[in-house]
Order: sequence, then C-alpha cells, then structure tokens
Amino acid sequence: GQNIDQPTEMTATEGAIVQINCTYQTSGFNGLFWYQQHAGEAPTFLSYNVLDGLEEKGRFSSFLSRSKGYSYLLLKELQMKDSASYLCAVIRGSTLGRLYFGRGTQLTVWP
Amino acid sequence: NAGVTQTPKFRVLKTGQSMTLLCAQDMNHEYMYWYRQDPGMGLRLIHYSVGEGTTAKGEVPDGYNVSRLKKQNFLLGLESAAPSQTSVYFCASSYKGGFYNEQFFGPGTRLTVL
Repeated sequence: GQNIDQPTEMTATEGAIVQINCTYQTSGFNGLFWYQQHAGEAPTFLSYNVLDGLEEKGRFSSFLSRSKGYSYLLLKELQMKDSASYLCAVIRGSTLGRLYFGRGTQLTVWP
Repeated sequence: NAGVTQTPKFRVLKTGQSMTLLCAQDMNHEYMYWYRQDPGMGLRLIHYSVGEGTTAKGEVPDGYNVSRLKKQNFLLGLESAAPSQTSVYFCASSYKGGFYNEQFFGPGTRLTVL
C-alpha cells in the first residue's frame, strides 16, 4: 500500500509564508502532485515533481526529495483566497496513472 | 471546452435504490476515474478506465459498477444504495496515465443515502 502523510490543519496570516509537508512511502514512485481544493469545489492542479529539487510557479513552489520520501508545498505572500485544502498525491509507475492521495491539509488564512 | 462535467450535481436516495452517475469529458482523454471523498479520508479511487471499453477496480470498488461504452463518457452505477455510500463523488480524466499526466476533475456529485 501507500502511506501518504500530511498535516490535517494549518493556519497562517495574510502576507505570510506557509510550508505544507507531505511524506510518503511507496514502491515504484514516479512523481508527486499537489492539488488545491476550495470548499465545495473540485481539486485543481498546482504542481508536479518527479525529480529532486524545487519547482517554482509564481507564489507557489513545490519541493521533492525522493531519497527521503518527502515533499513540501510553499505558499508565499498568502492571500485570503489561498484558504483551501491542499492535497498531496503520489503516482506509481506500475499503476498506469493512478494517483494515491493523502488526506489533505486544510489551510486557513487569517486577515 | 466544458472540460469534465458530471450529472447530477445533487441526489438523495433511499436505501436499496439504484442510480447512475454520468461523467463526460470533451478533451479526448483516454483515462477516466471515479473517486469518492469523505471527511477526513481524502480522495479514494473507486474504478477507473484506461480506454473505451475497459474498466478496472480501484481501492474501494465494492457496491459500484462502471461502464465506458464511449470514450467521452464514464458511468458509475450504484445497484442497491447503502448509507455508507453517502459521499461526494468526483470524476476525473487524463490524456494518458503514468507520470506527468495531470488529472482534470469534474465539479462533483453530492449523494446522500437515507
């Protein structure tokens, strides 16, 4: 099976920086996705990492360490609209595109 | 493009009733997926399809059946609904499987089984 762990809840203030961690244990690892999900809406794609290192995309960055089974999503200059659930998901090369999701981290941004 | 659409958006069933959820995508994607999302449980894969005419079981397939008669449609059926199937159901599609093929999600169907 897959063990994917991320914190259940986090809070931060507007304008701050927050880091959401995700650890995983899986065989045949072939990449990690981060999705954002606002309450009552569908998940939307944020980032994908397959190689070690940092991928930057505007205010959001995602980091991966394959040897440590660890990833994080970094959100800078937080805005109220960033309040959402952030889902970490791993993909295994042997399972034809299946994603295995963590339980999500609910981020609340306070003014 | 409409992307991924789901019908219906909301539904209330009584225990033992049956229903079919419809997912449609207009992106010519090969792969389609059905997930359920429950509080504190994350997204769990029910069934998926890697092409027209194919289906496969995911993590939680019991009590559900699926069909992919047309490439653009993926149907999820509940033959005899149970309260444990109260959930939010998401359909998703991707161009192919494997790495770097992000999944696009539909808006969800909120199902309550009384």
